[in-house]
Amino acid sequence: ETGVTQSPTHLIKTRGQQVTLRCSSQSGHNTVSWYQQALGQGPQFIFQYYREEENGRGNFPPRFSGLQFPNYSSELNVNALELDDSALYLCASSLTSGVGETQYFGPGTRLLVL
Amino acid sequence: DAKTTQPTSMDCAEGRAANLPCNHSTISGNEYVYWYRQIHSQGPQYIIHGLKNNETNEMASLIITEDRKSSTLILPHATLRDTAVYYCIVPPGSARQLTFGSGTQLTVLP
Repeated sequence: ETGVTQSPTHLIKTRGQQVTLRCSSQSGHNTVSWYQQALGQGPQFIFQYYREEENGRGNFPPRFSGLQFPNYSSELNVNALELDDSALYLCASSLTSGVGETQYFGPGTRLLVL
Repeated sequence: DAKTTQPTSMDCAEGRAANLPCNHSTISGNEYVYWYRQIHSQGPQYIIHGLKNNETNEMASLIITEDRKSSTLILPHATLRDTAVYYCIVPPGSARQLTFGSGTQLTVLP
């Protein structure tokens, strides 16, 4: 157990809808990263939040957005859902300290877009 | 990013040591080598990381060659629960995202 929790565990949406996924980081961690894992592939980096600011972004369109709250928890929002957005969405928390950091992953939210 | 190369799959007998290799010939001097594993449909699990010296923890040992161009993850006594995809990752020094390749599918056989 990493102490990183995600909700919901599973979600079914239809194309065009919007979805919000939530992540609670491990105690003491100040950074949250989000990844998308399509079936049969490795996780792909979406973006990272540090001190409530976006701190790096992968190759994902603007309809993927996020927030980080003062307690370091985070949300991933996806607008105008497409069928290809069906995937496992992973959240990872870490402590950014300037020395290097280890990311600890939550169990993921499985999203199915119909 | 330092590119990593891993075998696609490996088998190991239960109770024996599993040695998983990784090549990272373009690694820079300040870049760490991280190992994660992912059991089917679960979130990736951190195993171990290192910079230059060999590292050991309760899960595994990490052996990094002197030139740092390759490393080996060692699971000393593999169990069936160690069956997973193992990822070797070298995050670039200035960025913090993890780039997952295809990894190595380790199957521990009874």
